[in-house]
Parts: sequence; structure tokens; C-alpha cells
Amino acid sequence: GENVGLHLPTLSVQEGDNSIINCAYSNSASDYFIWYKQESGKGPQFIIDIRSNMDKRQGQRVTVLLNKTVKHLSLQIAATQPGDSAVYFCAEGGSGGSNYKLTFGKGTLLTVNP
Amino acid sequence: DSGVTQTPKHLITATGQRVTLRCSPRSGDLSVYWYQQSLDQGLQFLIQYYNGEERAKGNILERFSAQQFPDLHSELNLSSLELGDSALYFCASSVGPNSNQPQHFGDGTRLSIL
Repeated sequence: GENVGLHLPTLSVQEGDNSIINCAYSNSASDYFIWYKQESGKGPQFIIDIRSNMDKRQGQRVTVLLNKTVKHLSLQIAATQPGDSAVYFCAEGGSGGSNYKLTFGKGTLLTVNP
Repeated sequence: DSGVTQTPKHLITATGQRVTLRCSPRSGDLSVYWYQQSLDQGLQFLIQYYNGEERAKGNILERFSAQQFPDLHSELNLSSLELGDSALYFCASSVGPNSNQPQHFGDGTRLSIL
């Protein structure tokens, strides 16, 4: 079955530190993964994605790591800033049996302390 | 700004009523997705349209329906409203029909049932 979940529901970090948000998935047929950031009162905002033929992808201050062996996904945010405070969702999709939709995890609330 | 526009931003109505939520996708996107977000259920996929045709259904109630018009905007109709329908309703759009690409979200419609 499909199961995308987050290990930690909340994460609190100091400004300037690096943040790591984790996500587990169970559908081995998923070949596309994506991270979203949702601020209060707004819709989910695309951060970064990765396909299963890669194990690492970098963006601006963010890195996504994919470990297909243990079905684990992580989002690393470098030099975390107060503006990074939000709920972060991982989602899986791709060419598996449910290739029409993204399946979202519950989300992790990241709080950045100044 | 994701380029996806949703109206209205807020909607307050009573049980038993019917409402229509509107979504304009990003320019060039042919797929429109509707999601419901509540505190206890997270982001739940409702339905997808691609180029005017229904492509996939998720956890959408029979009291709910949607359509995508020739200009690609979409409407989600909710009828016989119940207290439990109070939630955030998001629209997302993507270029193609499959879930191996980013979906871009609007800022949602907050529906409150009194």
C-alpha cells in the first residue's frame, strides 16, 4: 500500500544552523519525490524534487537525499533562516500503479529561533 | 507566486448549502488537481482533470463534483454541506497528466461551515 510519513512532526533549530527533515515511504514503485514548504495561510510551495535515478540533488541552500534501499528521503536546509519556518511536506509519485497522484506525508513543522 | 489562482479566499456558509470554488491554473498547464486539507487528515487528493477530461478520482465524496472548462479553469462544487466539510481546499496544476512532475498550488479557499 501507499504510506508516506515523516519521522519527526516538529523540529526546532537555531538561526544559522543546518536543518534536516526526514521522510519515509513504502511504495517501492514510486520513482519521483518532491518537497513542499507551506507557510501559514498559503498553499504548498515547491522546493525541490528528485527522481529515483538520482540519490542527491542540490538547490539553493537545499539538498534532497534519496536512499532507495531503506526507502528514505531527507531535506537538508543549510544556514536556516527565520523565513524557513513553515510546515514541510514530502510527497511521492511517478510511474507506479497510482501514477496519477502525489501522495503526501503528514508534514513537519520547522521552527527557526533567532 | 505560483501562478495558480483560487477564488474566493474565504467562504462561510451553513449546513445544507452548496458552494462553488474556482481555480485558474498556471499558463500552459493542462492538469488541474483538487485537494482537501484538514488538521487531522493532511492533504487529501480529491480529483484530477487533464485537458478538460476527468483523469482520476481520489477521496472525493458523492456530494462533491468538479469540472474543467475549455479555457482550462476548473470549478469544484460542494453540495449538502456538513460541518465536517470545513477545511482548506487547494487547487494545483501541472503541465502533463502524470505525477512525475511538480504540481504548483494556489493559496487555497478556506471553507467554514456554521
